[in-house]
Amino acid sequence: DAKTTQPTSMDCAEGRAANLPCNHSTISGNEYVYWYRQIHSQGPQYIIHGLKNNETNEMASLIITEDRKSSTLILPHATLRDTAVYYCIVRPFYGNKLVFGAGTILRVKS
Amino acid sequence: GAVVSQHPSRVICKSGTSVKIECRSLDFQATTMFWYRQFPKQSLMLMATSNEGSKATYEQGVEKDKFLINHASLTLSTLTVTSAHPEDSSFYICSARSGTSGGSDTQYFGPGTRLTVL
Repeated sequence: DAKTTQPTSMDCAEGRAANLPCNHSTISGNEYVYWYRQIHSQGPQYIIHGLKNNETNEMASLIITEDRKSSTLILPHATLRDTAVYYCIVRPFYGNKLVFGAGTILRVKS
Repeated sequence: GAVVSQHPSRVICKSGTSVKIECRSLDFQATTMFWYRQFPKQSLMLMATSNEGSKATYEQGVEKDKFLINHASLTLSTLTVTSAHPEDSSFYICSARSGTSGGSDTQYFGPGTRLTVL
């Protein structure tokens, strides 16, 4: 499975958009980009996933570059409850497992 | 999203005893379930993958005789930590995937079980 690179941490002001980048330059054609987040002492929460096209749901938007080597997760209006570790993971759609990296610690500040 | 539950949420046991953790998919049938372990300030580490009705596949370095996994039904998987020792103290998290064709193959995670071995 392709590896991902994410910044260690980011800060965001409450009410502003949080843009979390992820580099996956070795991604292959059948690998999807998945985003999860983990709030302290809880299990990871699924956010969104995509293959080529940009995706949006009630939680976030996922922007994938045309060459698919990087992506950005956008939380349009960050709240204090969005403070968490955000994980970007690539795997084949019917791949067998999710391998977690270190993720990005997002701190939303008032 | 789909709901995965774990029980218990927290357990404290004495060294040498065994502990069983249950993982249930509440509103979907999980053909595959996964068990992860997370130590403080670290990321999740996959321990094993189990498919309903077959033996679990363990990741390198995970002792299959110590961490017994049973996936007897499409909604229940159990992890038993046998002869637990203080170094087994950790946050154990399960996840489940439906594997339904034509639909989302997303993995959903349980809330985790905090194991403390005294």
